[in-house]
Amino acid sequence: GESVGLHLPTLSVQEGDNSIINCAYSNSASDYFIWYKQESGKGPQFIIDIRSNMDKRQGQRVTVLLNKTVKHLSLQIAATQPGDSAVYFCAENYYGSARQLTFGSGTQLTVLP
Amino acid sequence: GAVVSQHPSWVICKSGTSVKIECRSLDFQATTMFWYRQFPKQSLMLMATSNEGSKATYEQGVEKDKFLINHASLTLSTLTVTSAHPEDSSFYICSAPASGGAEGPPDTQYFGPGTRLTVL
Repeated sequence: GESVGLHLPTLSVQEGDNSIINCAYSNSASDYFIWYKQESGKGPQFIIDIRSNMDKRQGQRVTVLLNKTVKHLSLQIAATQPGDSAVYFCAENYYGSARQLTFGSGTQLTVLP
Repeated sequence: GAVVSQHPSWVICKSGTSVKIECRSLDFQATTMFWYRQFPKQSLMLMATSNEGSKATYEQGVEKDKFLINHASLTLSTLTVTSAHPEDSSFYICSAPASGGAEGPPDTQYFGPGTRLTVL
């Protein structure tokens, strides 16, 4: 059920520093994972994805790490910029689930000047 | 990348009225679309899977008679919140996989900008 009064975990970083956002996923059968960025009042925006046959994938300023042993996913953002301030969600999917995504609880990233 | 639009972007209605939200895939076809609901400071919760030409599949706890879904074409799904009440106030977001809906390995899902519903 829904959690009343739930507050998102928050992470504050100085501009220019690296950010690491963590996520624990729930389904050991999940084979596809995505990180989304959501700015206030907008829909989620795709950042990077990774399949379960990989443990690391790099994009532009972002890196996703996957540890299937402990069902843990992380997003690393290099040289964090003010425009990176947003809520970040991880999402998991497993083949055979009609490609439905299950979202994590999210982390609010705030970049300090 | 693929673009998904929603209309309206925000709506305010009186309790007891019905509200229709449209979700369109603008440059690709989507035989499947997903509808999510998001309360403030919470994650996205899947409400239902919209299937073109067939009935929608609802998640447990979501009333299908209250949240009517119609996926009449390959580019349009609509969500109608019937007899809306203040507790239905939320951010409603749709998404569509870019592959065209074919079965196979999961593909990136593209999300609409969301619709903010406020029921007075």
